[in-house]
Amino acid sequence: AQSVAQPEDQVNVAEGNPLTVKCTYSVSGNPYLFWYVQYPNRGLQFLLKYITGDNLVKGSYGFEAEFNKSQTSFHLKKPSALVSDSALYFCAVRDRSSGNTPLVFGKGTRLSVIA
Amino acid sequence: EAGVVQSPRYKIIEKKQPVAFWCNPISGHNTLYWYRQNLGQGPELLIRYENEEAVDDSQLPKDRFSAERLKGVDSTLKIQPAELGDSAVYLCASSLGQGIDSDTQYFGPGTRLTVL
Repeated sequence: AQSVAQPEDQVNVAEGNPLTVKCTYSVSGNPYLFWYVQYPNRGLQFLLKYITGDNLVKGSYGFEAEFNKSQTSFHLKKPSALVSDSALYFCAVRDRSSGNTPLVFGKGTRLSVIA
Repeated sequence: EAGVVQSPRYKIIEKKQPVAFWCNPISGHNTLYWYRQNLGQGPELLIRYENEEAVDDSQLPKDRFSAERLKGVDSTLKIQPAELGDSAVYLCASSLGQGIDSDTQYFGPGTRLTVL
């Protein structure tokens, strides 16, 4: 079975500092990995995804994530945080080698960027 | 381009009452998903449609939940009767599908259901 762990419920960072939101995954085969962001009273917005190829994936709003197969991780990063980045972030995984398996989401990490 | 549209945005009902949610996916998206998001949790898939066919409804509580996508475009999710534990946000998402299993899902704003 596939699963995702987001070990931090909350991440606090000062505006202008780099941010990292952690994600580890478990699949039996190779993964498709996604990051979504959710603002209050809004649906999830797609940020970026890893399919194959370059381990560093660049996405929307200056975010990027690095796929690390040996550590089964896909941490979300941004070099310089903005107050407007404050939101709930979800990591999700699909097992690439198991047909039409559903996308499985982590519990989410709340990012708070302090001015 | 319009995104995924859901209505209503909020719904408050008493337990044992029926409730329905409506979703219109992004134009041209063949795959439609319904998720339930409980407070403090990530979304969990309830049902997935490929055009008008429900291809994965293994997580749908079929004793009280039903869904349809009759013409392969918009979809309705129904709960009858609602229970207190059904209070959650119900999210609809769509994707191009067509066998692209890495396909990106795009989400609507959700319907927040409160059962009293």
